[in-house]
Amino acid sequence: NAGVTQTPKFQVLKTGQSMTLQCAQDMNHEYMSWYRQDPGMGLRLIHYSVGAGITDQGEVPNGYNVSRSTTEDFPLRLLSAAPSQTSVYFCASSYSSSGSLLDDEQFFGPGTRLTVL
Amino acid sequence: QQPVQSPQAVILREGEDAVINCSSSKALYSVHWYRQKHGEAPVFLMILLKGGEQKGHEKISASFNEKKQQSSLYLTASQLSYSGTYFCGTESISSGSARQLTFGSGTQLTVLP
Repeated sequence: NAGVTQTPKFQVLKTGQSMTLQCAQDMNHEYMSWYRQDPGMGLRLIHYSVGAGITDQGEVPNGYNVSRSTTEDFPLRLLSAAPSQTSVYFCASSYSSSGSLLDDEQFFGPGTRLTVL
Repeated sequence: QQPVQSPQAVILREGEDAVINCSSSKALYSVHWYRQKHGEAPVFLMILLKGGEQKGHEKISASFNEKKQQSSLYLTASQLSYSGTYFCGTESISSGSARQLTFGSGTQLTVLP
């Protein structure tokens, strides 16, 4: 198993550009999520999905879109990049035995380091 | 509202013990603990669920006081490999927040030889 993979590893954008961060998992997990991590801070949830076709907003969703057309893939789209979106982005996936609550570990991808100039 | 972790940083000698605390203002369903080394992704340590169930690595010890909405992570006989930043994440029992983890700002643990 490759686990959770993310591409690209590094990206530099100019203000106003758009791009998509890719995330894929091969563990057949229903739950997937995107976090951002700023220096000296914890992880903040951007968007999450509990299954194909189902997405919801997290703590800091503004400026980001997501879609979930398959169980495996959960891309994050930056609509119009801003310097405030400079951060490290982590994708994570999890199996949830209860179906409604997070009761199992999240597997994190290696992260994408994004700089917006 | 994010949980509050204490201490913010701790330095230990190999073999010493440490306790990291996590406190929330909300009623919790679960507390999750992760460790992150510099430049790497967070790695799962333990989940503590309302009702007493725990899932995690056998060498990790933690507690969850549901009434006080607090959790503590116990690191005993620390090893050099324990160094890193420890994060707690909480899932609160309130409308609209299920399946959302809110993470604290982390506790930086350094173990010296």
